Amino acid sequence: DAGVIQSPRHEVTEMGQEVTLRCKPISGHNSLFWYRQTMMRGLELLIYFNNNVPIDDSGMPEDRFSAKMPNASFSTLKIQPSEPRDSAVYFCASSLSGLPPYFGPGTRLTVL
Amino acid sequence: GENVEQHPSTLSVQEGDSAVIKCTYSDSASNYFPWYKQELGKRPQLIIDIRSNVGEKKDQRIAVTLNKTAKHFSLHITETQPEDSAVYFCAASKPGAGSYQLTFGKGTKLSVIP
Repeated sequence: DAGVIQSPRHEVTEMGQEVTLRCKPISGHNSLFWYRQTMMRGLELLIYFNNNVPIDDSGMPEDRFSAKMPNASFSTLKIQPSEPRDSAVYFCASSLSGLPPYFGPGTRLTVL
Repeated sequence: GENVEQHPSTLSVQEGDSAVIKCTYSDSASNYFPWYKQELGKRPQLIIDIRSNVGEKKDQRIAVTLNKTAKHFSLHITETQPEDSAVYFCAASKPGAGSYQLTFGKGTKLSVIP
């Protein structure tokens, strides 16, 4: 099992550009989570999906952020337009009902 | 919503000594409390968890205790080793939509000095 797969692993972009982060959850897992990690704010839950349906997006910081899960094996987190304060490590995690989330390796985003 | 406080933010211990990290939570409906270990540049990894119907759980050198009345839980690492050096995160969750929606503490950076 390859675990949760995220791409890209590193992304450097300029302010104002669109950024798309991708995640492939563990096969068979029915919940998917997007977390953001910064020194100041720690690990924050942005949004989570259950059976491909967004359940709680109250952590999404603002309208510049959007997430989709078109099928059970793929999710995207998009930032448009990006800003320097969006620089962080973005983790995708997946889980099976009743089990804790398993984290992916993360995407380190730098917005210049 | 849930709020999780974690202390201390940094902890240094001599190799072989014990380390204790404490967390408090605010929502009495929370019933699941995992601990994650994150090494530098790596992903958070689950090391132990406890559910609200249990007061203590052990796994080799690590143990977690839970006091539901006081709404606090702790991680205990005995006989610490240099490879225990990492950032440790506690979390709390209520059941919802079949999955665990975790709220994390800010983390404790543990340094084990050889």
